Amino acid sequence: EAGVTQFPSHSVIEKGQTVTLRCDPISGHDNLYWYRRVMGKEIKFLLHFVKESKQDESGMPNNRFLAERTGGTYSTLKVQPAELEDSGVYFCASSLDSYPSYTDTQYFGPGTRLTVL
Amino acid sequence: AQSVTQLGSHVSVSEGALVLLRCNYSSSVPPYLFWYVQYPNQGLQLLLKYTTGATLVKGINGFEAEFKKSETSFHLTKPSAHMSDAAEYFCAASLSGNTPLVFGKGTRLSVIA
Repeated sequence: EAGVTQFPSHSVIEKGQTVTLRCDPISGHDNLYWYRRVMGKEIKFLLHFVKESKQDESGMPNNRFLAERTGGTYSTLKVQPAELEDSGVYFCASSLDSYPSYTDTQYFGPGTRLTVL
Repeated sequence: AQSVTQLGSHVSVSEGALVLLRCNYSSSVPPYLFWYVQYPNQGLQLLLKYTTGATLVKGINGFEAEFKKSETSFHLTKPSAHMSDAAEYFCAASLSGNTPLVFGKGTRLSVIA
């Protein structure tokens, strides 16, 4: 079974440019999460999709970040325009939706390292 | 709000020695607790998790952790370190399954031959 995949693995852009990160969850996983790790800090939650709906986007830093999940499959995270402080590693994770216990593990992708110059 | 604290950003042990990575959580209710490991150039891999039931949890690669509610701790141990254990380890908590994880800052483990 294929794991969570993310593309690209590394992106270097100039301040003010736009970048789109993609995440393909494990097939059949309804839950999809985005997290970010800024250098030297902890991994922090950005948002959570259940199928195509945003369940929780309380961690999104500002309106320069836009996340979508078309048809409840893959997800994209667009940063427009990028700022220096957006640099970090962006992780995607997915999990099953196992009512009623909801104890399923979040499986993580390898991350996308974003560098904004 | 939930928080997770990992004591020590870097731990160094000799090969064959005990590994002890510390994790404390702050939560109004007993959370679900996880340890993830990240090897170089790879994603986070689940080592073990505590949800309910037995407080001593065994994971992969010989690791285990014990949930101690009275100490709000979930320390990770392995009796004998191996060179292949060198990685970064993350403790995380959530209020329930399928809710966002709150992570500690991570502990980088070095194993010395």
